[in-house]
Amino acid sequence: DIQMTQSPSSLSASVGDRVTITCRASQSISSYLNWYQQKPGKAPKLLIYAASSLQSGVPSRFSGSGSGTDFTLTISSLQPEDFATYYCQQSYSTAFTFGPGTKVDIK
Amino acid sequence: EVQLVQSGAEVKKPGESLKISCKGSGYSFTSYWIGWVRQMPGKGLEWMGIIYPGDSDTRYSPSFQGQVTISADKSISTAYLQWSSLKASDTAMYYCARHLRDVHEWAKNWFDPWGQGTLVTVSS
Repeated sequence: DIQMTQSPSSLSASVGDRVTITCRASQSISSYLNWYQQKPGKAPKLLIYAASSLQSGVPSRFSGSGSGTDFTLTISSLQPEDFATYYCQQSYSTAFTFGPGTKVDIK
Repeated sequence: EVQLVQSGAEVKKPGESLKISCKGSGYSFTSYWIGWVRQMPGKGLEWMGIIYPGDSDTRYSPSFQGQVTISADKSISTAYLQWSSLKASDTAMYYCARHLRDVHEWAKNWFDPWGQGTLVTVSS
């Protein structure tokens, strides 16, 4: 299986901050990487697919980049509703795997 | 609106069987794969398996092969996840999600939307 890691595991930030979360795959996955947001008690929500494509309806402050093994999710100006846990997921292999998550909370 | 609605929370004893459901609406249910994802308490997301309701083609994560059964009834637009003998370690939230795929690049695929989740508690 392709293993996914994320860093940091958690971070504290203030409203308006620029936040960057990193995801790394154990082997090259080209650009087949998705990002999800999960708020407490809620189902995950797709933010970014294929590394950099913004899902319809997702605010443009979210962006994704990367290819190969290293990827980033950036929130350009953190808003109160963005405090959540973020997961990356590789779709290169049919044995889909998720990263362990990055929890973003209020500083 | 595309929607997946899951069955309600369950409380079971070890050794009991269980089947939870996920009903799709607002799209052609037989044209998209449906995946199942486990989230243990306080933990991350784990992909369990996926089914194509059009022909019931099913794939399992090696971690869940033999532990659960995924099925679908296309006549009622519903996918299922079932256990024949539950363990305490099956206590978790279970999500279904529609799987979308680019027609030209097979590996360009993602899960959207997700059901609201079904909490399964297994305790004696």
